Amino acid sequence: AQSVAQPEDQVNVAEGNPLTVKCTYSVSGNPYLFWYVQYPNRGLQFLLKYITGDNLVKGSYGFEAEFNKSQTSFHLKKPSALVSDSALYFCAVRDRRRYGGATNKLIFGTGTLLAVQP
Amino acid sequence: ETGVTQTPRHLVMGMTNKKSLKCEQHLGHNAMYWYKQSAKKPLELMFVYSLEERVENNSVPSRFSPECPNSSHLFLHLHTLQPEDSALYLCASSQDPTGTGYEQYFGPGTRLTVT
Repeated sequence: AQSVAQPEDQVNVAEGNPLTVKCTYSVSGNPYLFWYVQYPNRGLQFLLKYITGDNLVKGSYGFEAEFNKSQTSFHLKKPSALVSDSALYFCAVRDRRRYGGATNKLIFGTGTLLAVQP
Repeated sequence: ETGVTQTPRHLVMGMTNKKSLKCEQHLGHNAMYWYKQSAKKPLELMFVYSLEERVENNSVPSRFSPECPNSSHLFLHLHTLQPEDSALYLCASSQDPTGTGYEQYFGPGTRLTVT
């Protein structure tokens, strides 16, 4: 079965420190992986994606993620956290099953709440 | 903003009411999606429309009825809902759904409360 797991419900980090939000996946074949962020009372915003190529992907707001095939992981990272980064973060993997012509379904993790303390 | 708008942002309805949620995308995308987001649960994909044709219905109860009149608009018609249907309903769109690796763009959601 295809799935994505975010093992931490919440991550706490002090402002200025590096942050990591973990994600592991299970999918047949090559994965297409995504990170989204959700601020309070808002929809999800796309941060970055891995399709192919360089294992280190850079995205919006200074975030990056590292694809590790051997560990089936796609952890989100940022060198220096800001209080404004506090939000809910979702990892997602493209569902490779086909439904009619729509192959662009995403399977989301349960989300990790990032709390950055000043 | 992401280019996807949803109205209303908040909705309170009784179990016998009929209401509709509206989504509009200004991105030229060909696929649109409805998701349900409940506390402590993963995002639940409800419906997928590809080129205005419904291509997936994830075992959603018939009290939810989607409509996609064109590639820019998506509706979710609601009737005789239950309190457990209270949630944040998110609309999303993406480019050609037969392509690969296209991210989805989400609207701000409609916070629905069923009383």
